[in-house]
Amino acid sequence: DQQVKQNSPSLSVQEGRISILNCDYTNSMFDYFLWYKKYPAEGPTFLISISSIKDKNEDGRFTVFLNKSAKHLSLHIVPSQPGDSAVYFCAASNNAGNMLTFGGGTRLMVKP
Amino acid sequence: GAGVSQSPSNKVTEKGKDVELRCDPISGHTALYWYRQSLGQGLEFLIYFQGNSAPDKSGLPSDRFSAERTGGSVSTLTIQRTQQEDSAVYLCASSFSRASYEQYFGPGTRLTVT
Repeated sequence: DQQVKQNSPSLSVQEGRISILNCDYTNSMFDYFLWYKKYPAEGPTFLISISSIKDKNEDGRFTVFLNKSAKHLSLHIVPSQPGDSAVYFCAASNNAGNMLTFGGGTRLMVKP
Repeated sequence: GAGVSQSPSNKVTEKGKDVELRCDPISGHTALYWYRQSLGQGLEFLIYFQGNSAPDKSGLPSDRFSAERTGGSVSTLTIQRTQQEDSAVYLCASSFSRASYEQYFGPGTRLTVT
């Protein structure tokens, strides 16, 4: 039973355009959500997070939106750059300090 | 500063052999986690250590898997009698404290069981 799902395994975007990565979850007890970025042969790198008390968090080119009623979050990258090409994982937690539940990842390819 | 380090980076072993994977967390981080990523899959939680508390082993897939954390720092994940389905990338992460959501990952150990 996957509690966190990323339904798009891959996404291709032109440089300069917006990338939108989506994530759905089923566990209403999740209260914190994170996005990680992963390059090949490296560990995931924390990108941005959002608490369930917010519906938006912005950091430079990256914005995460949370829709609690729909149990949906999305990561917007604008403008997209070729260096953003990586696998992006959505993760959720229902208890600070405990394990993260990850989605299956979306491979983003930004074309020059 | 130094990040999370893991060794070895790659390990090839024969089915039935035991393997040990090592993780050095970020200095000062009290929480340590092990995950694994099988081919084409997301990250799967295995075990969690917080300070001197008993570890949360709820994610370990079988009793062939065990982990320990010595002195609240370095951790070793041991897989006994390896099977081909154990082939995966094993990732270690640490966080500053139990109250910190952000986890910092090491580069992983790629385990291949032949």
